[in-house]
Order: sequence, then C-alpha cells, then structure tokens
Amino acid sequence: EAQVTQNPRYLITVTGKKLTVTCSQNMNHEYMSWYRQDPGLGLRQIYYSMNVEVTDKGDVPEGYKVSRKEKRNFPLILESPSPNQTSLYFCASSLWAPTSGRPGTQYFGPGTRLLVL
Amino acid sequence: AQSVTQPDIHITVSEGASLELRCNYSYGATPYLFWYVQSPGQGLQLLLKYFSGDTLVQGIKGFEAEFKRSQSSFNLRKPSVHWSDAAEYFCAVGATNNNDMRFGAGTRLTVKP
Repeated sequence: EAQVTQNPRYLITVTGKKLTVTCSQNMNHEYMSWYRQDPGLGLRQIYYSMNVEVTDKGDVPEGYKVSRKEKRNFPLILESPSPNQTSLYFCASSLWAPTSGRPGTQYFGPGTRLLVL
Repeated sequence: AQSVTQPDIHITVSEGASLELRCNYSYGATPYLFWYVQSPGQGLQLLLKYFSGDTLVQGIKGFEAEFKRSQSSFNLRKPSVHWSDAAEYFCAVGATNNNDMRFGAGTRLTVKP
C-alpha cells in the first residue's frame, strides 16, 4: 500500500531535549516536505527536499533541522525543543517533474502531535 | 508567492443540505488548486485538484469545485451533505515550476442531524 508513515504519532517532551520525528514514504517520490499545523494558521511549511541531499527552508524553519540521506526518509530534528514548537506535524511527499511545470500532488502522513513542556 | 484565503473558519449545515466552502487565491500566473479534507485525528486526504481544462472539477466523496479566474476563487461544493463529511477542509495553491504549496487556514464543517 502506498503510504507516508510518521513516528512517533504522539510525543511529550521537555524543553531542550533533542528529538527526531521520522518520516518514510514507499512511493519513490522525489519531493518531501514537513509542515506544522496550528489552529487558525493552517499548514505552514517548515522544510522541504527536492531530492536526496537537496533540502531548503520553508516558511517557518527556525528551530528545526532536516536531512535527506535516502530517497524514502526525511526526518525532522528538533535540537532544543521549546514550548512554541508544540504543534501537529505532517510529513508529505510527491512526485517532482520539473519538465511538466506542474506541482505534484502531495500525499500526507497521519501526523505527529508534539507537546513540549 | 502564492497565498490562499478561506474566509469561513467554521460552517454548520444540516444533513442533506447543500454545502459551499469558499476559497480565494492570490497568484500571478496559472494557479494549481487543491482541496484537502482532514477528518478528526487523521492526515490530509486529497479531495480534488485543478490544473487546467474544464473549470468544474469532480472529486471523491461527491465533492466538486469550480475554478473562476475572474474571481480568483476555487469554491468547494456538495449537493447533499452527509454526517460523515464533518471535518476540516483546506484549500491549497501550488505554483508553476516548483512544488511549493500554500494552504489556507481551513474551514471546519459541522453537520447537524
């Protein structure tokens, strides 16, 4: 089954304790992205990756890191989490066909709810 | 950069009534438009998308949306709402030549029995 998986689904942590949220897709998609969802703000992009070893900042990158060492995986790293990073996080992936000029349809993971105390 | 506005934060409709959720976008070139639905505790599921061609787009679960360039709108409609349609709905706009996507703030739909 084609899917995007995220782990963990729920996480409670304390300020300053490094954490990683994993994301994996089995659709051989080039493009992967992380979003955070906050009430009244919709989804805001944190980081994205066009392919292996190619990553770039989205709209709200401060306090986050990512890596893309393999095509299927795109972990989100919070080196020193703070309470303002309490949010619902989504990973997404899509095909990327630059010659078409069209964006790929993004497929989303189930979300990771993070609480930073 | 592109942007999306969903003017209605929360809408309540009766089961069986018709539904229209509004979406306005801002983008200087040809927009690529999407509607996603998020059921409670779930990820986002694509309902439909518009890339080009017929401006009335059919999606899953009986939804449709109409692209109106003159109004910069892409409103989502359903003729008869079911209780299972209660969810949050997001409109999104993509850009030419990149995968960057911007989402609206969402509209939460409540369905009354």
